[in-house]
Amino acid sequence: EVQLVESGGGLVQPGGSLRLSCSASGFTFSNYAMSWVRQAPGKGLESVSNIRSDGRRTYYADSVKGRFTISRDNSKNTLYLQMSSLRPEDTALYYCVKTSCTVCNLIDSWGQGIQVTVSS
Amino acid sequence: DIQMTQSPSTLSASVGDRVTITCRASQSVRTWLAWHQQKPGKAPKLLIYDVSSLESGVPSRFSGSGSGTEFTLTISSLQPDDFATYYCQQYDSFSSGAFGQGTKLEVK
Repeated sequence: EVQLVESGGGLVQPGGSLRLSCSASGFTFSNYAMSWVRQAPGKGLESVSNIRSDGRRTYYADSVKGRFTISRDNSKNTLYLQMSSLRPEDTALYYCVKTSCTVCNLIDSWGQGIQVTVSS
Repeated sequence: DIQMTQSPSTLSASVGDRVTITCRASQSVRTWLAWHQQKPGKAPKLLIYDVSSLESGVPSRFSGSGSGTEFTLTISSLQPDDFATYYCQQYDSFSSGAFGQGTKLEVK
């Protein structure tokens, strides 16, 4: 069974930084592209960032480009999202998601999400 | 980036109704279109991929159709468990992960 467990969320002041982690199990992590998707309170889903299975290709939404960095450690089965220069509009539930192939966007499994709140 | 637009934003229906949700893409996504279901307080769940393929365990009352820029999700006979929010997602490009804005299916 695929399990995706996020950690590292919390309350941070505007301009601050936070690193999210996602521990994956139940599948061969190094074979699949992974992504972060967020959902602001009462809003829809927004694709934040994708990373290819080998980590050599990434994608960022315009809203986070230059501030967020996605990475992965295939030896530790872990996905990361380094967030800096955080803004109040980054407040959201962040989901770690697994895709169905090495380089694609089809999401087939979702974590439970981790809350990030940016506020003074 | 490819933009996805769903309609309606809210749909009121009753148990047993047949309902259809539409998703339009700003440019062709060929057949790379999925539907996810989200219940309140829960993570979304994949229902349909490649336009019309049901994910394992998804009831056959759910179906999808379309190609190119226009797609539909149909529930043939609404069940109480189906009241939720539905999102379409295109995956034509790795460098663009677009969701529709969501359709909330509520009890009439």
